[in-house]
Amino acid sequence: DTGVSQNPRHKITKRGQNVTFRCDPISEHNRLYWYRQTLGQGPEFLTYFQNEAQLEKSRLLSDRFSAERPKGSFSTLEIQRTEQGDSAMYLCASSSVDRGLNEKLFFGSGTQLSVL
Amino acid sequence: DAKTTQPPSMDCAEGRAANLPCNHSTISGNEYVYWYRQIHSQGPQYIIHGLKNNETNEMASLIITEDRKSSTLILPHATLRDTAVYYCIVRAGVGGFKTIFGAGTRLFVKA
Repeated sequence: DTGVSQNPRHKITKRGQNVTFRCDPISEHNRLYWYRQTLGQGPEFLTYFQNEAQLEKSRLLSDRFSAERPKGSFSTLEIQRTEQGDSAMYLCASSSVDRGLNEKLFFGSGTQLSVL
Repeated sequence: DAKTTQPPSMDCAEGRAANLPCNHSTISGNEYVYWYRQIHSQGPQYIIHGLKNNETNEMASLIITEDRKSSTLILPHATLRDTAVYYCIVRAGVGGFKTIFGAGTRLFVKA
């Protein structure tokens, strides 16, 4: 078990450019989540997948954001036409739900995005 | 999911017990209390969770009041490495982990 892996760790981009982040979850986990975190705040939910199906998206996820999990394994989060307000830490987490509906999230170390 | 209220920061002496409170007065009967912590530059880490009984694991103890409107996370012998932001979260057992983490409590463990 190597944990949840996110790449890249840091991304600096110019306003208007597109960026893509990757998340590799723990292999046996069927749920995968994306969160965004700004300085001094806790993580905010963006979207989540159950296997390859995207089950829910937050209102925070504008049309410029898209997430995929094509084979129910790794996931990508793409931001098109980045804005300075997109600067944040993007966290990925994975989980499996047991029969008792208990769910423990395991987080990656995140991708820090800076939009200049 | 019910909202939680935590103090913004707390101090604790190394080796002493750290008691982190959380209020969740609007908690529903099917909602669990979860605790996570986040050390600088890392993603949040699961600590413990419970429904109504007190829970203990290798990291911490969770004490939930009888009316379930508040809880306390106890780190029995705090070390400098326990300095982190601690999040108390309430969520139901279904529907995904869409809950709001809030700002948490920043715990400073001092030598």
